[in-house]
Amino acid sequence: EIVLTQSPGTLSLSPGERASLSCRASQSVSSTYLAWFQQKPGQAPRLLIFGASHRATGVPHRFSGSGSATDFTLTISRLEPEDFAVYFCHHYGGSPYTFGQGTKLEI
Amino acid sequence: EVQLVESGGALVQPGRSLRLSCTGSGFDFDDFSIIWFRQAPGRGLEWVAFIGTKGDGETTEYAASVKGRFTISRDDSKSIAYLQMNRLKTDDTALYYCTRREYPRDPFGIWGQGTVVTVSS
Repeated sequence: EIVLTQSPGTLSLSPGERASLSCRASQSVSSTYLAWFQQKPGQAPRLLIFGASHRATGVPHRFSGSGSATDFTLTISRLEPEDFAVYFCHHYGGSPYTFGQGTKLEI
Repeated sequence: EVQLVESGGALVQPGRSLRLSCTGSGFDFDDFSIIWFRQAPGRGLEWVAFIGTKGDGETTEYAASVKGRFTISRDDSKSIAYLQMNRLKTDDTALYYCTRREYPRDPFGIWGQGTVVTVSS
């Protein structure tokens, strides 16, 4: 099973700042199967990034993904008020499909 | 519009059973694998079960935590996938989501709003 560890657990920033969220895999994974989700209270997860670096339909360009092997990063270039949420990285290359424990991005 | 709607969640006692449904619309349901995830209150996301298409022999897979207790199935004529949950435990309390994908490399882009299962005496 691929264990995904996200850091930091909580990130406190202000609108307009840049956010970098880390996801580390317990073993090398194919970039093809690494995704990032955003989740707000009371809402289902929203796919932001798939294949490590590809933005999903409708996702603003301020969101970008990078990385390979065991280290992946989600970057939000300039935070907007609506970006404050919980972010999960996710491996979907085969079962068991796993998620990181989440990074809470707060003001 | 592509949509997935979960239903069937309820408050049940430990040891009892419950069946969840995942109804799809706006797409060819039989072309897609269906996957169930869950999220316990204040917790992260956990994969629960997977069912492939009829063309893939309706292959099923389960998380270790539910294997032997949960059964996933599908009825393509109704565009519904089911999650039969038996011998429920308090640890099964969660919001249950279904999602779909057509090809193995596809991410899980479409999610329902979830259905709540509470296991408590």
